[in-house]
Amino acid sequence: DVKVTQSSRYLVKRTGEKVFLECVQDMDHENMFWYRQDPGLGLRLIYFSYDVKMKEKGDIPEGYSVSREKKERFSLILESASTNQTSMYLCASSYNSYEQYFGPGTRLTVT
Amino acid sequence: GENVEQHPSTLSVQEGDSAVIKCTYSDSASNYFPWYKQELGKGPQLIIDIRSNVGEKKDQRIAVTLNKTAKHFSLHITETQPEDSAVYFCAASGSGGSYIPTFGRGTSLIVHP
Repeated sequence: DVKVTQSSRYLVKRTGEKVFLECVQDMDHENMFWYRQDPGLGLRLIYFSYDVKMKEKGDIPEGYSVSREKKERFSLILESASTNQTSMYLCASSYNSYEQYFGPGTRLTVT
Repeated sequence: GENVEQHPSTLSVQEGDSAVIKCTYSDSASNYFPWYKQELGKGPQLIIDIRSNVGEKKDQRIAVTLNKTAKHFSLHITETQPEDSAVYFCAASGSGGSYIPTFGRGTSLIVHP
């Protein structure tokens, strides 16, 4: 079974803090993704990566950056957290197919 | 780019009834249409998918239909059970060879015992 894990289930941070969300997959997938999920807005793509050290902007990259130093790990970075970044963050991975495997999500609250 | 509309946003049914969720897409070149189920406290999980060369696909109590001409696809759940209660997302991808899905906004299905 593919397993995608995220470093925290719940996180509370203060405005202006630098926040790291980590994602690890154990199936040697090339592609990894970060989404945010907000009620009524569905899943919106922040960034994705199709290889180590490669990254591409998704639909809503502003205020975020990513890092992929190893194939199994994809990190989402909030350089200076703001209250409008309070959300559920979902990581996903995929191989050479269209199916995505999601982690359990990190609910981030910025106060 | 692709745009996916999903309806309804909330669906409430009695146990044993059928449930239908509908999605439309805008890019006629999309060729892969998955459905994901997200249970409370979990990430979405693929439950069924369909490719554009197929009109219908079934897996036990769930089925998906695709109408390429009208650019819409639907998820059908028969004999609903309380454990079917979840948020369901449709998605479309494949245009230009892209594997990046565009998701609908989700449908919250509530099955009352």
